[in-house]
Amino acid sequence: AQTVTQSQPEMSVQEAETVTLSCTYDTSESDYYLFWYKQPPSRQMILVIRQEAYKQQNATENRFSVNFQKAAKSFSLKISDSQLGDAAMYFCAYVTPGTGNQFYFGTGTSLTVIP
Amino acid sequence: DTGVSQDPRHKITKRGQNVTFRCDPISEHNRLYWYRQTLGQGPEFLTYFQNEAQLEKSRLLSDRFSAERPKGSFSTLEIQRTEQGDSAMYLCASSRTDGELFFGEGSRLTVL
Repeated sequence: AQTVTQSQPEMSVQEAETVTLSCTYDTSESDYYLFWYKQPPSRQMILVIRQEAYKQQNATENRFSVNFQKAAKSFSLKISDSQLGDAAMYFCAYVTPGTGNQFYFGTGTSLTVIP
Repeated sequence: DTGVSQDPRHKITKRGQNVTFRCDPISEHNRLYWYRQTLGQGPEFLTYFQNEAQLEKSRLLSDRFSAERPKGSFSTLEIQRTEQGDSAMYLCASSRTDGELFFGEGSRLTVL
């Protein structure tokens, strides 16, 4: 069974600094997608960044980048130049293509940004 | 904005009552998903539809839960004889293909 583990329930970062959120996953599949979703308080979940397992290059979206280590089954999110609006719950998620797009989510990391 | 919309946003009910939630997906998305999220947890898959066909149901979806998507557009999730353990956020999401899920803001259920 696929599992996604986020070992950091809470993290904090000073505004303008860099923070890294950790995620590990367990799967026997070779083809899959990994995602980081952001859930602000009382707001909907939105996609932050996506990584296809077959791509060796780490995905980057502006201030957000990932460190994808396929052999180690690790998928961390780095947020650079943290802003107050980055404060939210962050969920790591996994999906295998062809399974109806059934996502598996981690338990989340609550990120606080300190002014 | 034509994102995923859910209604109601918050429902408070007494134990034993029935509740129904509605989800309107993004119009061109043929896949629709229901997830449940409890405090301190990530979303857990409940069920999903491709067009009007319900293709997958989680073991979390007890007999008291039923979901429909009659015309392949909006969907309803009904919970009969609610229990306190049903209190959670019920999230709807839609997608067109494998990949990104687009979520609604959720329907929070509180069972007293």
